[in-house]
Amino acid sequence: GAGVSQTPSNKVTEKGKYVELRCDPISGHTALYWYRQSLGQGPEFLIYFQGTGAADDSGLPNDRFFAVRPEGSVSTLKIQRTERGDSAVYLCASSLKDGNEQFFGPGTRLTVL
Amino acid sequence: SQKIEQNSEALNIQEGKTATLTCNYTNYSPAYLQWYRQDPGRGPVFLLLIRENEKEKRKERLKVTFDTTLKQSLFHITASQPADSATYLCALEGTGGFKTIFGAGTRLFVKA
Repeated sequence: GAGVSQTPSNKVTEKGKYVELRCDPISGHTALYWYRQSLGQGPEFLIYFQGTGAADDSGLPNDRFFAVRPEGSVSTLKIQRTERGDSAVYLCASSLKDGNEQFFGPGTRLTVL
Repeated sequence: SQKIEQNSEALNIQEGKTATLTCNYTNYSPAYLQWYRQDPGRGPVFLLLIRENEKEKRKERLKVTFDTTLKQSLFHITASQPADSATYLCALEGTGGFKTIFGAGTRLFVKA
């Protein structure tokens, strides 16, 4: 069956540019999480959606980061004015509801030059 | 601030032995604790979830314990195999969701 998919798998951009990262969760999963992971570290929570609404965005590092999930399915993480420090693997996960196991996508590796 | 600590040093064990990984946390009262496996270049894969009112949970060769007094979870892999070599992540989630906090993970190497 289809798992969580993320596109693109790799994204190289220049400092100052805008990027969008897409996540397709498992069908029927109402909970969706975004994380970013740096080498040698665990996933760092960014934002959690329950349905269409962001229930917890306390992990977004600053106002350059924004995420949407307009129809309660696909989500897009948007990063404005990218900085070199934004380089990381961005992971998306979905679950039936919070408190359940999370199914992760393969991640998008973002490199900001 | 909330903090999760996992053994930062890699764990090397011989095939057939039991691997024990530790997860300690501070300044947190999690409702759930989860363990995930992560292979290089891949997203984490869920292994086990244990709730705050549970002491122990088992699944095949895996066993997790959860001591809310010590603020510690132990993760055991019995009869370990080289295919168990991976990074194992501990994750905590509070009551009502939402934010999940991950540890940095412990790298496990099982030698044949």
